[in-house]
Amino acid sequence: GQQLNQSPQSMFIQEGEDVSMNCTSSSIFNTWLWYKQDPGEGPVLLIALYKAGELTSNGRLTAQFGITRKDSFLNISASIPSDVGIYFCAGRRDGNKLVFGAGTILRVKS
Amino acid sequence: DVKVTQSSRYLVKRTGEKVFLECVQDMDHENMFWYRQDPGLGLRLIYFSYDVKMKEKGDIPEGYSVSREKKERFSLILESASTNQTSMYLCASSQDRGLGGYTFGSGTRLTVV
Repeated sequence: GQQLNQSPQSMFIQEGEDVSMNCTSSSIFNTWLWYKQDPGEGPVLLIALYKAGELTSNGRLTAQFGITRKDSFLNISASIPSDVGIYFCAGRRDGNKLVFGAGTILRVKS
Repeated sequence: DVKVTQSSRYLVKRTGEKVFLECVQDMDHENMFWYRQDPGLGLRLIYFSYDVKMKEKGDIPEGYSVSREKKERFSLILESASTNQTSMYLCASSQDRGLGGYTFGSGTRLTVV
């Protein structure tokens, strides 16, 4: 099936550092979404992006819908221990199905 | 609080058993999905349904079937469980033609021995 290339695969950062991750695809998407999965739980929606070039913030999180519609990035500023988890990007071309990236595992040193 | 509920958090089954994973949502969503999650592979779509009694194959349907007799319930069936079906299974739902994302359940970690 269609795949999104998400990087990095994992990150180990110091508390207080900024984090950046991204997703790319060879296909155009009409919607980009970012999810976070806490250990032992299902993914929870963090940010949704609907227009090329759109930049949206949710607290310390900022995400952008790439101008080419083939990529998106997520930034986390001033990371804290509870940021630990797996972050997934997801894209929607049309219809109701989402395509997910493989995830970025975030580990924070306290 | 709206939610997607998966009936079991952990299951251990024997090879060859028929396994039922149940998912119920209380949001009156039309669409429901079953994914499996494996390290390094992300979320892979097994089956989905856009309406009652309707089902469509996802990317990895082999060895699985589904049932949607009621709008709120979507069951995943492993006809004859095998060890390579040991995984985390996630159910999700969404509104029809909605711009939002999916709402996920907490997952069922299935171990086949």
